[in-house]
Amino acid sequence: QLQLQESGPGLVKPSETLSLTCTVSSGSINSGGYYWSWIRQRPGKGLEWIGYIYYYGSAYYNPSLQSLTTISIDTSNNQFSLKLSSVTAADTAVYYCARFVMTSGDFDYWGQGTLVTVSS
Amino acid sequence: EIVLTQSPGTLSLSPGERATLSCRASQTVSSLAWYQQRPGQAPRLLISDASNRATGIPARFSGSGSGTDFTLTISSLEPEDFAVYYCQQRSNWPPVTFGPGTKVDIK
Repeated sequence: QLQLQESGPGLVKPSETLSLTCTVSSGSINSGGYYWSWIRQRPGKGLEWIGYIYYYGSAYYNPSLQSLTTISIDTSNNQFSLKLSSVTAADTAVYYCARFVMTSGDFDYWGQGTLVTVSS
Repeated sequence: EIVLTQSPGTLSLSPGERATLSCRASQTVSSLAWYQQRPGQAPRLLISDASNRATGIPARFSGSGSGTDFTLTISSLEPEDFAVYYCQQRSNWPPVTFGPGTKVDIK
């Protein structure tokens, strides 16, 4: 069964860059047909798609976050990463990585999520 | 951008009752999925392509609809079904949006 696990600092200072990594196990990130995705959930709020990346590096971002977001992929280590720059308190959220299935247009596997707090 | 509206915001029901959740899109969508999120957990895919149950999802969950109007039905609520439910659509651009969620709580 495919597993995804987020890792990274739980506390980031305002104006700095949030960096998270998702490690994929029991499956290859090189598999065609999937986008590797980041989604966040602010405290008590709904789900917000941040962006996703294909295994050969094409990335797509939520227009509302595009200028601040970079998603990259490391196929040799079966990982993909998120960088969100110039963070503010509004970026405090649980960040999930997930696999997006291109044929059906949904997220079939999710990480457990990691809480990132933006505070000085 | 396609906007998804879910109703009701909160649904208060008793175990054993039937739950009917609605998701309406501002434009025709090419696919729609439903997720369940229990407190402190990641969302779990329930329904794919409007009506296909995901692997391991009990038969009491069913999805229907097309175009702009979609429904998730839970035929008889079990205690573990009290949770928040989100719909999500895939379109050309932006490729993914989620609805605001419907909370199903115990009456």
